[in-house]
Amino acid sequence: QKEVEQDPGPLSVPEGAIVSLNCTYSNSAFQYFMWYRQYSRKGPELLMYTYSSGNKEDGRFTAQVDKSSKYISLFIRDSQPSDSATYLCAMSGTLGGATNKLIFGTGTLLAVQP
Amino acid sequence: GAVVSQHPSRVICKSGTSVKIECRSLDFQATTMFWYRQFPKQSLMLMATSNEGSKATYEQGVEKDKFLINHASLTLSTLTVTSAHPEDSSFYICSASVSGGETQYFGPGTRLLVL
Repeated sequence: QKEVEQDPGPLSVPEGAIVSLNCTYSNSAFQYFMWYRQYSRKGPELLMYTYSSGNKEDGRFTAQVDKSSKYISLFIRDSQPSDSATYLCAMSGTLGGATNKLIFGTGTLLAVQP
Repeated sequence: GAVVSQHPSRVICKSGTSVKIECRSLDFQATTMFWYRQFPKQSLMLMATSNEGSKATYEQGVEKDKFLINHASLTLSTLTVTSAHPEDSSFYICSASVSGGETQYFGPGTRLLVL
């Protein structure tokens, strides 16, 4: 079993739809949860960063963390064609002392159709 | 803020040559830098972690003699792919984090093609 599971998609939605992206994980030591957006042939861009459980909102993006269920989500409201990219969840914690080491999901490819 | 650059953005080389990729944090001091490689339609695979002034820590299965990492200053890390072969062709991405920080900021990546 992978430490972080993420549906690779592709996920295709019409413009304006609400998008829900999710990851599950198995290691209860994870405390820091991130979502990155990666456009084709580019480096990942940090979108959201959350510590422990709870919600965080930034514009059209909302990140949720449920540590009891080991489940994290990213919601995108009023999705735009420019949101079309691969979305990677990532997490870290006290992993053998390497607290900065990120464990990534496989990424979900999102396509927002105009 | 938190901008990371990489150079070159793409490189084509002949088999057997060495290639150096630079990673720079432009507006912050990066105590830790990370090197990843990414194959098409796959996620990032961590190759090594480097702290300024000390030897890099390589992930299992990554050859340290083939992928030389130098982190000589708080704003610069280099990855040298020695005696490159076609199977080393990939997208190499660096990231940087600040002391005590859990987030990483990524560079734009370097596409390496070995002929």
